[in-house]
Amino acid sequence: GENVEQHPSTLSVQEGDSAVIKCTYSDSASNYFPWYKQELGKGPQLIIDIRSNVGEKKDQRIAVTLNKTAKHFSLHITETQPEDSAVYFCAASFGRGNKLVFGAGTILRVKS
Amino acid sequence: GAVVSQHPSRVICKSGTSVKIECRSLDFQATTMFWYRQFPKQSLMLMATSNEGSKATYEQGVEKDKFLINHASLTLSTLTVTSAHPEDSSFYICSAPFSGTRGGDTQYFGPGTRLTVL
Repeated sequence: GENVEQHPSTLSVQEGDSAVIKCTYSDSASNYFPWYKQELGKGPQLIIDIRSNVGEKKDQRIAVTLNKTAKHFSLHITETQPEDSAVYFCAASFGRGNKLVFGAGTILRVKS
Repeated sequence: GAVVSQHPSRVICKSGTSVKIECRSLDFQATTMFWYRQFPKQSLMLMATSNEGSKATYEQGVEKDKFLINHASLTLSTLTVTSAHPEDSSFYICSAPFSGTRGGDTQYFGPGTRLTVL
């Protein structure tokens, strides 16, 4: 079935450094790849997304890259700040009707 | 735009009772909504797709008689956990797709409902 693998499971960086989270998906028909940030006790918040007709997308300190041939995509956060600390989830679309399958999540800790 | 709300934010109930959770799209209409369950320190697992005007479709392994879904209007879907047991305790989150300016349907999530069954 559809599967998304996400690495690493935890990531600690020093404030100001960059953070990279990688995901691999199994369904070659997937064409939409969002990234969500989830803080404790809250719902996921969309931070950036990319569609299969684009290889890279950037929004200020956040960027996502997509390699459809290899079926993997990555989240890049530059100049990390303590408020970036949270759990980050990647997801990939599958089937019909906008369904998403999520990766296992990455706990990002930014140390000041 | 694209705000999704849930009510209640947390609920505690006794084993054997039923609990209803509401999901509303506040500033847009949604013919489809999604219900997820998230256990502590785990990922989101899709439970079912709620369809306005028709039956919900459930993911494999999800008991449709236990998790009743009703999509009453273009802005409201409800999830009822029937005969709840302690193992149903979890964080339930809904989402709704919205086209907006991003092109294509982007899923926006509600704040979640923490269910604790005693």
